[in-house]
Amino acid sequence: QKEVEQDPGPLSVPEGAIVSLNCTYSNSAFQYFMWYRQYSRKGPELLMYTYSSGNKEDGRFTAQVDKSSKYISLFIRDSQPSDSATYLCAMTLTGGYQKVTFGTGTKLQVIP
Amino acid sequence: SQTIHQWPATLVQPVGSPLSLECTVEGTSNPNLYWYRQAAGRGLQLLFYSVGIGQISSEVPQNLSASRPQDRQFILSSKKLLLSDSGFYLCAWMGQNYGYTFGSGTRLTVV
Repeated sequence: QKEVEQDPGPLSVPEGAIVSLNCTYSNSAFQYFMWYRQYSRKGPELLMYTYSSGNKEDGRFTAQVDKSSKYISLFIRDSQPSDSATYLCAMTLTGGYQKVTFGTGTKLQVIP
Repeated sequence: SQTIHQWPATLVQPVGSPLSLECTVEGTSNPNLYWYRQAAGRGLQLLFYSVGIGQISSEVPQNLSASRPQDRQFILSSKKLLLSDSGFYLCAWMGQNYGYTFGSGTRLTVV
């Protein structure tokens, strides 16, 4: 079993839809949770990070962490064609230069 | 602001040839630096990380090596490339929020 599981997609949605991207993980020691967006042939860019359980909102993006279920989500409201990219979840233990464990990414296409 | 530079953007190399990829960081001192490889369907694989000059930790035994000759310079090398070394190589540094800033990547094709 992989430490982090992420549905690879692709996920196709119409413009304006609400998108839900999810990851499950097995290591209950993970404390920091991140979402990265990666456009084709580019390096990933950090979208959001959260510590422990709870929600965090930034514009059209909301990150949720449910540590009891070992489940994290990224919601995108009013999706735009510019949101078309691969989204990677990531997580790490607490502190220092800990190794970050990534999901394999979900490819999202927002259709105009 | 911090920026990370990585080059070249693309590279096609024959099997058995050497490799040198360079990464430099600006706007920060003593950064934690990382080399990742991304292969289709396999996600991001950590290859090396460094917390300071001359300090290299290897995560995966393989045909590659890394060096950090200066505080803000990180180099990935190979003496003889294998076909399996093909992939998208990413340099990154980690900020205080445990999030990475990635470079633009090098797409390496070994032929």
